[in-house]
Amino acid sequence: TQLLEQSPQFLSIQEGENLTVYCNSSSVFSSLQWYRQEPGEGPVLLVTVVTGGEVKKLKRLTFQFGDARKDSSLHITAAQPGDTGLYLCAGATAGGTSYGKLTFGQGTILTVHP
Amino acid sequence: DTAVSQTPKYLVTQMGNDKSIKCEQNLGHDTMYWYKQDSKKFLKIMFSYNNKELIINETVPNRFSPKSPDKAHLNLHINSLELGDSAVYFCASSHLRGLAGGGADTQYFGPGTRLTVL
Repeated sequence: TQLLEQSPQFLSIQEGENLTVYCNSSSVFSSLQWYRQEPGEGPVLLVTVVTGGEVKKLKRLTFQFGDARKDSSLHITAAQPGDTGLYLCAGATAGGTSYGKLTFGQGTILTVHP
Repeated sequence: DTAVSQTPKYLVTQMGNDKSIKCEQNLGHDTMYWYKQDSKKFLKIMFSYNNKELIINETVPNRFSPKSPDKAHLNLHINSLELGDSAVYFCASSHLRGLAGGGADTQYFGPGTRLTVL
């Protein structure tokens, strides 16, 4: 069974601070995705990283995929109250009967105070 | 305009009842999914259908039976509801992507159905 350990589970910070969320596994994933979920809604994809060592930037958000494709991080610079939400990492496997299956981490609830 | 829709949004029912949740997508995707999100926000795949065929079937009690009448619809029927079935159920859809794409395309999630079993 593939598992993704996401940390921290809760993060409460002040506006303007930086933060990093980690996603770790002992398994190799063909790609890794980060989603953001707001209360009462479904998760929305932020980014997909596919290549080991890949770094992608989305405005103040920086995503990195580990060289061995077993871990990933999400870094937010100068957090804003609008960044508040549940952040989920999800690893994808390709091939065989697991085709298209996403394994989700436990999630990080981020609260950014004004 | 809604890409992935689910009905109902809220479902409150008694233990032992049978209930269904419906899902429809208008994105032209070939794959649909059901996920369960527990009270700790952990999201876990239950089933996946590709072109109306079951391709992912996780360890889910056989009280849960998905049905896909066509590519745009995936319904979830639950028999003999139990207290532990209380959760938010999400439907999602995507295209399946080949190995070159890392095996995962963007999954578009519905707004969820909050099921409460009393």
